[in-house]
Amino acid sequence: GAVVSQHPSRVICKSGTSVKIECRSLDFQATTMFWYRQFPKQSLMLMATSNEGSKATYEQGVEKDKFLINHASLTLSTLTVTSAHPEDSSFYICSVVAGADTQYFGPGTRLTVL
Amino acid sequence: GQQLNQSPQSMFIQEGEDVSMNCTSSSIFNTWLWYKQEPGEGPVLLIALYKAGELTSNGRLTAQFGITRKDSFLNISASIPSDVGIYFCAGDTSSGSARQLTFGSGTQLTVLP
Repeated sequence: GAVVSQHPSRVICKSGTSVKIECRSLDFQATTMFWYRQFPKQSLMLMATSNEGSKATYEQGVEKDKFLINHASLTLSTLTVTSAHPEDSSFYICSVVAGADTQYFGPGTRLTVL
Repeated sequence: GQQLNQSPQSMFIQEGEDVSMNCTSSSIFNTWLWYKQEPGEGPVLLIALYKAGELTSNGRLTAQFGITRKDSFLNISASIPSDVGIYFCAGDTSSGSARQLTFGSGTQLTVLP
């Protein structure tokens, strides 16, 4: 069965609005979750590491004020894309580390900004 | 940062044929993971490798962690139409945590009936 869920699976929004994406760890308590972005026909790029109870760690070039991450519990991390623009349109995927040091990915969220 | 060179970029094969793809790097990795991604979905873990030289199978899939720790390959035997998708390798340089994954560019596999 699924280890990680994401909601919503697809979202379309107008430019300038904010969008929240949820990532839930179903089978494990996850002190750490990861957020990736994937553009069409490209590989996954790590955006940030979400840490339960503390601030997220962002990769170089990722704006922390634009991509707000909240990891309020051991099973839920949220990514909020603030003031979204068309160039933010992408496939956002979260993951958790579980079991024998392996990352399991969520099903992804397709964001389209008009 | 680390870079993974994955090849081939794409493959078109006949149903029943065997497939091989690989990833190489100039950096040493402590963990190699192979994922499959279908359109509109997140990557699904196929095989995880944790020791240099390790050879692991999962059904028709076999993967090996290179002795030098700088490469890994994935083989698919007797391909079937549902094998279609993008296959990614991912390497981790951290010690035993799979937390710092670097992804290859992916291999797009098409299986022709």
